[in-house]
Amino acid sequence: DAGVIQSPRHEVTEMGQEVTLRCKPISGHNSLFWYRQTMMRGLELLIYFNNNVPIDDSGMPEDRFSAKMPNASFSTLKIQPSEPRDSAVYFCASSSPGQTRMDFGPGTRLTVT
Amino acid sequence: AQSVTQPDIHITVSEGASLELRCNYSYGATPYLFWYVQSPGQGLQLLLKYFSGDTLVQGIKGFEAEFKRSQSSFNLRKPSVHWSDAAEYFCAVGHGSSNTGKLIFGQGTTLQVKP
Repeated sequence: DAGVIQSPRHEVTEMGQEVTLRCKPISGHNSLFWYRQTMMRGLELLIYFNNNVPIDDSGMPEDRFSAKMPNASFSTLKIQPSEPRDSAVYFCASSSPGQTRMDFGPGTRLTVT
Repeated sequence: AQSVTQPDIHITVSEGASLELRCNYSYGATPYLFWYVQSPGQGLQLLLKYFSGDTLVQGIKGFEAEFKRSQSSFNLRKPSVHWSDAAEYFCAVGHGSSNTGKLIFGQGTTLQVKP
């Protein structure tokens, strides 16, 4: 079991550029979550999917953020255009049916200059 | 709405001393409760969870937590802290329904361990 895989681990980009974060959940997990962690706001849930369908995207900051899950083994979080205030660590997590286990990926540290 | 409060932002204990990290939750139904640990630059690792049954839950690395419904608390304890326990600890509450899988996290407690 490789765990939840996120790429890239670090991303530095300039303001206005498009950023795409990627996540591969654990095989067999049917729920996938994107969280953002900052010093000021802690861990915030951005969006989560259940069986590849977005269930709750109320945490997505604004229209610049979008997330997709085209299949059970892959999800992306896209920011377009990026802004310095988007700098944070973005975590992907997945869980199994009945939420008996939830695993986090190592995170992507995003820096927007 | 659900919420989680960790009253202590930062705690310092001596190595070998006992530890208790506080967590209070607000949730109307029976909550799913979790404790996660995050080492610097790392992701979150699950320490333990409570769904139902015995209110004293054992986790990894010698941690335990007790669910007290009357106090809406789920405090994390360890009898003897090791230097490697220095990290940030997050309490989280999940929906009681198995369909949501959504966790609400507390702000975290940073644990420092003195030699």
